[in-house]
Amino acid sequence: GNSVTQMEGPVTLSEEAFLTINCTYTATGYPSLFWYVQYPGEGLQLLLKATKADDKGSNKGFEATYRKETTSFHLEKGSVQVSDSAVYFCALSDRAAGNKLTFGGGTRVLVKP
Amino acid sequence: NAGVTQTPKFRVLKTGQSMTLLCAQDMNHEYMYWYRQDPGMGLRLIHYSVGEGTTAKGEVPDGYNVSRLKKQNFLLGLESAAPSQTSVYFCASSYYTETNQPQHFGDGTRLSIL
Repeated sequence: GNSVTQMEGPVTLSEEAFLTINCTYTATGYPSLFWYVQYPGEGLQLLLKATKADDKGSNKGFEATYRKETTSFHLEKGSVQVSDSAVYFCALSDRAAGNKLTFGGGTRVLVKP
Repeated sequence: NAGVTQTPKFRVLKTGQSMTLLCAQDMNHEYMYWYRQDPGMGLRLIHYSVGEGTTAKGEVPDGYNVSRLKKQNFLLGLESAAPSQTSVYFCASSYYTETNQPQHFGDGTRLSIL
């Protein structure tokens, strides 16, 4: 079956630091990959996505590249802000699995001033 | 734009009680989903629907029932609540079939079973 593995948190950073959250996946088909973000007390919001190998998704200064050879989709941001404190979820959607989303366990990020 | 609206936002139940969680979306999406979120486990799919009048089981369906009588609404029912069902429940919706279509989430319902 499909699975998504992401680094456990919490990740604590100072403002303007570089952020990387690792995500690797296994899938039976050729999935689309997503990063969702959950701010405190809210639901999940789509942060970025990539639908084929070597695609780069980007939004709000975050980037992730779909690496088929390493089955990875690592999230990066060059300079984090306090407002980036949230839980980040890596996920995949696979047509072979009925297009249902499979989520990683989530990584909590805390940015301190 | 309301998007996906869940009611209630919080609820405390006693073991054995029943309740229904309501999800409503105003985006004319075909697909709707119910997830539960537990610490360290991400989101797990309970049930989903691919259109009005249809439902299907997800990863963790036991103890839950669902109905999709209207396209815009998706109800999640707990017939006899158990402490193991203490969780945060999220509803989501999406356009259908394509793998690159993101899901839109509600703000969640925090449910405690005593």
